[in-house]
Amino acid sequence: EADIYQTPRYLVIGTGKKITLECSQTMGHDKMYWYQQDPGMELHLIHYSYGVNSTEKGDLSSESTVSRIRTEHFPLTLESARPSHTSQYLCASSPFLSGTGDRGTEAFFGQGTRLTVV
Amino acid sequence: KQEVTQIPAALSVPEGENLVLNCSFTDSAIYNLQWFRQDPGKGLTSLLLIQSSQREQTSGRLNASLDKSSGRSTLYIAASQPGDSATYLCAVSDSSYKLIFGSGTRLLVRP
Repeated sequence: EADIYQTPRYLVIGTGKKITLECSQTMGHDKMYWYQQDPGMELHLIHYSYGVNSTEKGDLSSESTVSRIRTEHFPLTLESARPSHTSQYLCASSPFLSGTGDRGTEAFFGQGTRLTVV
Repeated sequence: KQEVTQIPAALSVPEGENLVLNCSFTDSAIYNLQWFRQDPGKGLTSLLLIQSSQREQTSGRLNASLDKSSGRSTLYIAASQPGDSATYLCAVSDSSYKLIFGSGTRLLVRP
């Protein structure tokens, strides 16, 4: 059972506001990811991290920023929300190594945050 | 750069049919391949994980195979049911630390 949580589940906010989407996992996973997904469309990787104090930009350019101060926490921040940021944001995590030492490890996803900027 | 492709993009079948979803990837140096299911407006649920050293994995009516050298994976669903209707996504993990997804196959199983 996956123990990865995203809050809030739904957020409607006005243009120009600063927002932070929370993602926490209790599995001690080193790798964490943020994806952006428009309705009916594919997932786009916007940020990832492979450990504390490591953050990398994904394949899709994003105006958001992330931080990884603690292993279990990977928040995503938008300094000034715009209608173009309206989307679903999905967080995931996975360990580096499986229990058998294999580097092919299972990823788990949170339920997502649906963001609407008006 | 790793790219993942899934075909078909959409599939509609009558209940009870066996079906195959396809996933291909361009760089065979992967650590694993994972199949997910996504219901509308929801997060992703992991279905099967195949390590790079494995050829297949099974869970209930689902069977996933991996041919790393040719860059292909298939997800076989036996005796499909309306509750199987969802989008199915495959993703590969490699040394880049990224988890790279295909665009998915939207499956509709008609009663």
